[in-house]
Amino acid sequence: RKEVEQDPGPFNVPEGATVAFNCTYSNSASQSFFWYRQDCRKEPKLLMSVYSSGNEDGRFTAQLNRASQYISLLIRDSKLSDSATYLCAVGGNKLTFGTGTQLKVEL
Amino acid sequence: NAGVTQTPKFQVLKTGQSMTLQCAQDMNHEYMSWYRQDPGMGLRLIHYSVGAGITDQGEVPNGYNVSRSTTEDFPLRLLSAAPSQTSVYFCASKNSGTPPYEQYFGPGTRLTVT
Repeated sequence: RKEVEQDPGPFNVPEGATVAFNCTYSNSASQSFFWYRQDCRKEPKLLMSVYSSGNEDGRFTAQLNRASQYISLLIRDSKLSDSATYLCAVGGNKLTFGTGTQLKVEL
Repeated sequence: NAGVTQTPKFQVLKTGQSMTLQCAQDMNHEYMSWYRQDPGMGLRLIHYSVGAGITDQGEVPNGYNVSRSTTEDFPLRLLSAAPSQTSVYFCASKNSGTPPYEQYFGPGTRLTVT
């Protein structure tokens, strides 16, 4: 089993839709959880840190479920500009990344 | 602040050649790391360093060397390039310890080995 697993997609959704991604991890001792966004051929950039209590930033909500060992990202009211690959990252000092989920938002 | 910088942006090597990918950060981060990214494989950790003079292997270290003589610089050396090392290489840095700190990435080096 991979340390961190994501559905690669692509998720094709219409503008305005709500879309959710999950990311499962195998190491129960993991302490740090992040969602990154990566645009084509660019470096990953932090979208959100993920906390046990859950956190929200505008249209984006991240949740952590330690019991089931997964993190989730919810995007509401999708925009064309949200089209990208979303990577989850899990670990301690050293982060392990999922392979990414591709999102395409269409008119 | 320039953040994390990488040079070169693009490089073509012939099999057997050696080269060094440069990485520098100006945020005084203790932790630096190198990843390679291949289609369908995600980001895989090559080597990392928790401070000057300290380096360790990641998931895919074979064929690569690193050193960390200063806090700012973390070069990655390809000893004898192979076509399997064709990839995009990202350098990253962050503060160590708690709370969990964001990892910042450089713009990447796109390497082709022929």
